[in-house]
Amino acid sequence: EVQLLESGGNLVQPGGSLRLSCVASGFIFSSYAMSWVRQAPGKGLECVSTIIGRGENTYYAASVKGRFTISRDNSKNTLNLQMSSLRAEDTAVYYCAKLSGGYIENSSDSWGQGTLVTVSS
Amino acid sequence: QPVLTQSSSASASLGSSVKLTCTLSSGHSNYIIAWHQQQPGKAPRYLMKLEGSGSYNKGSGVPDRFSGSSSGADRYLTISNLQSEDESDYYCETWDTDTRVFGGGTKLTVL
Repeated sequence: EVQLLESGGNLVQPGGSLRLSCVASGFIFSSYAMSWVRQAPGKGLECVSTIIGRGENTYYAASVKGRFTISRDNSKNTLNLQMSSLRAEDTAVYYCAKLSGGYIENSSDSWGQGTLVTVSS
Repeated sequence: QPVLTQSSSASASLGSSVKLTCTLSSGHSNYIIAWHQQQPGKAPRYLMKLEGSGSYNKGSGVPDRFSGSSSGADRYLTISNLQSEDESDYYCETWDTDTRVFGGGTKLTVL
């Protein structure tokens, strides 16, 4: 059974930094691309970043490019999101999502439970 | 990049059927999409992947009541014999060579 467990969400001041992690189990982690998808309070889903299975290629939404960095450690089955220069509009639940293949051109097919990031002074 | 358009809300009676629509933007009518369900207060759940041909593959444990179909740029999710637990937000998702996008979601109310 696929399991994705996010951690690292917290209250942070505008301009601050935060690192999210997602520990995966139940599948061969290195074979699948992974995404971070966020949901602001009362809003829809937004894919903020994706990384392919082997980690060489990364993709970012325009709203976070230059501020967020996605990475993965395939030896530890862990996906990370380093967030910096945080803004109030980054406040959201952040979900870790497994894609159905090794590259970005695949659907999300499993979701974690999410971790809440609140950016406020 | 592709854009997905969904109606903001829909409603149907308990035990009836409902058909939700996700429309792909011009130039992207042949794209594959995925449907996801988000029950109140919960994480999204993958329902199925749906091709332009109408062929679909459901996720593990997704009830037979859920089915997909396509017509041109429109992708449909049909839920038959509606149950109270089907009251959820439904999102469609698609992707390109360097981007992934979600529709705005449809809030389904079961009357």
